[in-house]
Amino acid sequence: EAQVTQNPRYLITVTGKKLTVTCSQNMNHEYMSWYRQDPGLGLRQIYYSMNVEVTDKGDVPEGYKVSRKEKRNFPLILESPSPNQTSLYFCASSLMGTIYNEQFFGPGTRLTVL
Amino acid sequence: KNQVEQSPQSLIILEGKNCTLQCNYTVSPFSNLRWYKQDTGRGPVSLTIMTFSENTKSNGRYTATLDADTKQSSLHITASQLSDSASYICVVSGGSNDYKLSFGAGTTVTVRA
Repeated sequence: EAQVTQNPRYLITVTGKKLTVTCSQNMNHEYMSWYRQDPGLGLRQIYYSMNVEVTDKGDVPEGYKVSRKEKRNFPLILESPSPNQTSLYFCASSLMGTIYNEQFFGPGTRLTVL
Repeated sequence: KNQVEQSPQSLIILEGKNCTLQCNYTVSPFSNLRWYKQDTGRGPVSLTIMTFSENTKSNGRYTATLDADTKQSSLHITASQLSDSASYICVVSGGSNDYKLSFGAGTTVTVRA
């Protein structure tokens, strides 16, 4: 089944404790992206990657890191999480080279930073 | 300022009734516009996709319209069902590049029996 997977789905952590949220897609998509979703604000892009070893900042990159060493994986790293990073996070991927470039979203990771 | 504004923020309708959601955008240049449905606790799923030259697109009971001149889109839900209860998000592609997506905050639809 074609899909985007994220792990963990739920995470409660404390301020300053480094964490990684994994994202993997099995559709051979070049483009991958991370978003956070907060009430009333909609989805906001954190980082995106147009191919292996190519990453760029989105609208709200502060406090986050990403890497793209393989095409299928795009982990999101929080080196020193803070309470304002409590949010619902989505990973998405899409095929490049098409005007439709529909993004397929993962199931989400709900992160709480205490 | 958000480049994609949706209205209303939320609405409640009775099962079997119709409703229309609105999306206004300022993204320029425009590439395409999608409506996504997001069930509670799940990732968004695409309902319709429209490019500049398309002004209407249907997907079952969902019909989206686009007026590129006025930069407005609407999503019409016909004969609503309980399973239509979800958040509906308008997403516009364009601006600095075709892969830059601008998201509306969504309209939460609640369908009651």
